[in-house]
Amino acid sequence: ILNVEQSPQSLHVQEGDSTNFTCSFPSSNFYALHWYRWETAKSPEALFVMTLNGDEKKKGRISATLNTKEGYSYLYIKGSQPEDSATYLCAFNFGNEKLTFGTGTRLTIIP
Amino acid sequence: DTEVTQTPKHLVMGMTNKKSLKCEQHMGHRAMYWYKQKAKKPPELMFVYSYEKLSINESVPSRFSPECPNSSLLNLHLHALQPEDSALYLCASSSGPLASYTFGSGTRLTVV
Repeated sequence: ILNVEQSPQSLHVQEGDSTNFTCSFPSSNFYALHWYRWETAKSPEALFVMTLNGDEKKKGRISATLNTKEGYSYLYIKGSQPEDSATYLCAFNFGNEKLTFGTGTRLTIIP
Repeated sequence: DTEVTQTPKHLVMGMTNKKSLKCEQHMGHRAMYWYKQKAKKPPELMFVYSYEKLSINESVPSRFSPECPNSSLLNLHLHALQPEDSALYLCASSSGPLASYTFGSGTRLTVV
């Protein structure tokens, strides 16, 4: 059974503060790790697809790192804004067409 | 066009009804997916179509029947569903496993 775990499950952050959360996945047979942002009543939105150990990707105030040897990825948000409130999902890919999602981190930004 | 369009957005059906969910994309993506999401759970993969052929069926009950009429369309035919099948059904497409997925906004299904 493949387990993709995210922590924390939920997080409240003051506007302007920076935050980060974790995605843990099996370190064997790694192929790709995806990050998505899912706002209520909208479609999940792709943030990053990461494939290489040590990879770092950035999109505006959001960045992510990848450690495939130990099986984790961090997502960082710098200077949180109310529009960052969403559920952040990571998803693990073995190399076939199957993407397995974690349970998500629900982020709420407090104005 | 960079969207995946799903219809209907909401559906209420009885356990003896037959209905279909529709998904459409015009990005030229070769792979299309159906996911099911229950409250407070991650999306769970149901089916994958690659180049219009069914490549993955995650042991989904036969009361769910997928169909891919062409490279832009994906249907999910529903028949004799149970109340526990009530969920959000998400469609997605991608150009391959190293590419990000583009998701639709989902169909909220309630079985009564």
